[in-house]
Formats: sequence, C-alpha cells, structure tokens
Amino acid sequence: NAGVTQTPKFRILKIGQSMTLQCTQDMNHNYMYWYRQDPGMGLKLIYYSVGAGITDKGEVPNGYNVSRSTTEDFPLRLELAAPSQTSVYFCASSYWGQSNQPQHFGDGTRLSIL
Amino acid sequence: AQKITQTQPGMFVQEKEAVTLDCTYDTSDQSYGLFWYKQPSSGEMIFLIYQGSYDEQNATEGRYSLNFQKARKSANLVISASQLGDSAMYFCAMRGFSGAGSYQLTFGKGTKLSVIP
Repeated sequence: NAGVTQTPKFRILKIGQSMTLQCTQDMNHNYMYWYRQDPGMGLKLIYYSVGAGITDKGEVPNGYNVSRSTTEDFPLRLELAAPSQTSVYFCASSYWGQSNQPQHFGDGTRLSIL
Repeated sequence: AQKITQTQPGMFVQEKEAVTLDCTYDTSDQSYGLFWYKQPSSGEMIFLIYQGSYDEQNATEGRYSLNFQKARKSANLVISASQLGDSAMYFCAMRGFSGAGSYQLTFGKGTKLSVIP
C-alpha cells in the first residue's frame, strides 16, 4: 500500500523561484493537510482540506497556496520562494469517520531556499 | 487555543529498560484526542498510540502505553523494554473536537530518545 506519497523528496530553490510540492493519497481519505517542520520544532499546519474543492488556512499559510481538485491530490504551491521557507514539508491525510483516526504522513519533502 | 509542552529535549535509556516521555497539554475543549508520533532519523512520521479524553482506560499498543492523567492534563508515553530501534524523536500532539482546532494536530517540540546498548 502506497499511503501518502510526496514528490520530490529533496529540492533546492533560488530566492524568488516558484515550485509545487506534490501530494497524493490512495486511502480515499476525506481530509488532507500540509505541515512544515523547522529544525528543532514540531509540525505547524500550513493549509488543510476537508474534501475536493474545499481548502482553508492553517497556522502558517503566508507564502503558500493550495488546491484540491480530486480526493487523491493536494498540491502545495510556493509562488515566490524566500529563505524563511526552508523547511521540511509533510503532507498528511485522515478519515474523519471516527474521532480517533490518526493522520497518516508522507515521507516529507526537504526544501532549501538559497 | 491548544498547546502541547514536552519538557525533555533529550532522554537516554538503557536497552531493555522502560522509559517515560512527558507531555502536558492545555485546551479549553471538553472533548479531545492525544496522539504520539515517532520520527526516526530517516524523517518519516509514524503514528504510535491514541488516547481519547473520555476513554476510561489508558491506551496500550504493544510496548507503548499512555499514562493519561486528565486532571493534570498530562499524557505521558511509556515505552517498555527499549530497543535500539526506538532511538528517534517522539512528538506528542492533540486535536480538539470542536471548532477550527478539530481539523489540525497541534504538536509539541518533541523529545529525542537515545537508546544505549
């Protein structure tokens, strides 16, 4: 079972460049999330989606955009990369049928902005 | 607002010994869930155990158990019979079940556990 798949695993960007982090899940989960993890810190929520066509901001949304056209895919876009966006990005998904459902995470994308 | 506090930046434990990783939380929600995740050096986030605020018994999953003390707002992870493969970062997280907080996990800063042979 693939679970949550993120691409790429690593990327170096120059300041001002743009890119899209891809995330897809094959568990038919309704909910999907994007987190960032800075060194020595826990994860912080960037954006989340409760279903296709519905997205909302998390704790740290500035500098990012998302879309959710299908249940499976939830890409994260950086329009103008800044050094402060150097981080590890995690995509996650969950089924909201029961409150005890954990979020399942992808392996992360390590992004450096130089 | 929800807050998770993990006061132990790093812990050492002898192989085969038990270890407790501390987690305290703050929330105004009456109903909430607490999760523990493991992050090995390879970077992935692995779900370990869940405790609901209204669960009468402490959660257990194999060698993992959760010492849940609701009045003290603590949800400590206990790992029994530590193994070298348990060396990793451990994150406590919570989710409220009402309002905006119900969609996200709030994470602590983590505890780095090192198992000594």
